[in-house]
Amino acid sequence: NAGVTQTPKFRVLKTGQSMTLLCAQDMNHEYMYWYRQDPGMGLRLIHYSVGEGTTAKGEVPDGYNVSRLKKQNFLLGLESAAPSQTSVYFCASSTQGHNEQFFGPGTRLTVL
Amino acid sequence: GQQVMQIPQYQHVQEGEDFTTYCNSSTTLSNIQWYKQRPGGHPVFLIQLVKSGEVKKQKRLTFQFGEAKKNSSLHITATQTTDVGTYFCAGTPSEEYGNKLVFGAGTILRVKS
Repeated sequence: NAGVTQTPKFRVLKTGQSMTLLCAQDMNHEYMYWYRQDPGMGLRLIHYSVGEGTTAKGEVPDGYNVSRLKKQNFLLGLESAAPSQTSVYFCASSTQGHNEQFFGPGTRLTVL
Repeated sequence: GQQVMQIPQYQHVQEGEDFTTYCNSSTTLSNIQWYKQRPGGHPVFLIQLVKSGEVKKQKRLTFQFGEAKKNSSLHITATQTTDVGTYFCAGTPSEEYGNKLVFGAGTILRVKS
């Protein structure tokens, strides 16, 4: 099993550009999450999903959109990137909301 | 909003010394989880505590969940260079049980050999 995978690993964008980050898990988990990690601020939840076809806002959802069309995939979109979105993005999944979360390797995004 | 505070932010110890990080919540938590993130890596689950006053051990690591379920600690005995990384606590607020974890900012541990 690959666990949780993320693509791409690195990306540099110019302000105003758009992009989609892809997260895939092969563990048949219901719950999936997108976090961003910034120095000194830990992991902050952007959006999450409790099952296929569902999404919900987390702590810092502004400027991001998500979709969960298939159970194994959770996409994070930036419609118009801003320098404040420079961060490391982690996807995670779990069987239930209060259970152990499995994290992907992360995507390092720089917005110039 | 719900906050989980973690102290210290950073600690540098001599190999063989002990290390402790503390996690405090403004509200009662239904559970607490601990994760470790190696430099350049991703968070990896260490343990989950659910019961008031619970203590669990993993080799040199000891985890505690407070009686009021608002605080927790991770203690490492006789640190080794392999313990280097950032340790995060994460809890589920009781009033929102089931859906989300709230992460602390993490404690960065550096070990001098």
